[in-house]
Amino acid sequence: GQQVMQIPQYQHVQEGEDFTTYCNSSTTLSNIQWYKQRPGGHPVFLIQLVKSGEVKKQKRLTLQFGEAKKNSSLHITATQTTDVGTYFCAGKGGYQKVTFGTGTKLQVIP
Amino acid sequence: EPEVTQTPSHQVTQMGQEVILRCVPISNHLYFYWYRQILGQKVEFLVSFYNNEISEKSEIFDDQFSVERPDGSNFTLKIRSTKLEDSAMYFCASSEGLGLIQYFGAGTRLSVL
Repeated sequence: GQQVMQIPQYQHVQEGEDFTTYCNSSTTLSNIQWYKQRPGGHPVFLIQLVKSGEVKKQKRLTLQFGEAKKNSSLHITATQTTDVGTYFCAGKGGYQKVTFGTGTKLQVIP
Repeated sequence: EPEVTQTPSHQVTQMGQEVILRCVPISNHLYFYWYRQILGQKVEFLVSFYNNEISEKSEIFDDQFSVERPDGSNFTLKIRSTKLEDSAMYFCASSEGLGLIQYFGAGTRLSVL
């Protein structure tokens, strides 16, 4: 079945440093969504990418969808303590269910 | 802003008991989902529901699980005979369409003793 892996599993950064998480799918995706889950909270939708090679920017977030539509990345510029949480990608391949990635837990040290 | 509502927020049950987790999806949404998240692990898909029937389910969603939309607003997940390993956070989500943004509820923490 479809597998979606993310690296790294954990990331500690100093406040102000940049952060990147990478998402890789075993199958081609029709779209990819990114969610953020604060500690003790529920996943909250951040952004969706649909087109091959698409790049979207949202404030300090930059998200990319690979040309082959099998990988994606989320980059945060100048992290803040409010960025703490786990970032999940979620991929949909054709009519298959949305499969969540393994997540990257971000810790920001003030 | 419309939101997905889940009750109860925490459910404690004895092993072997039946539990029903309840969700009220966003009113104009057509697709409904249940996910499970074991503490510290990733979000795992259980089942999707559309047009009053299951559209897809994972290998986790075995015969012990069932879903129902008993009326026009509620969406429930039933676990017939709970096991210790069913202890997890259960999230309900809904979306306007297949593959569109999923809005998650705050979750129900199920503790099986």
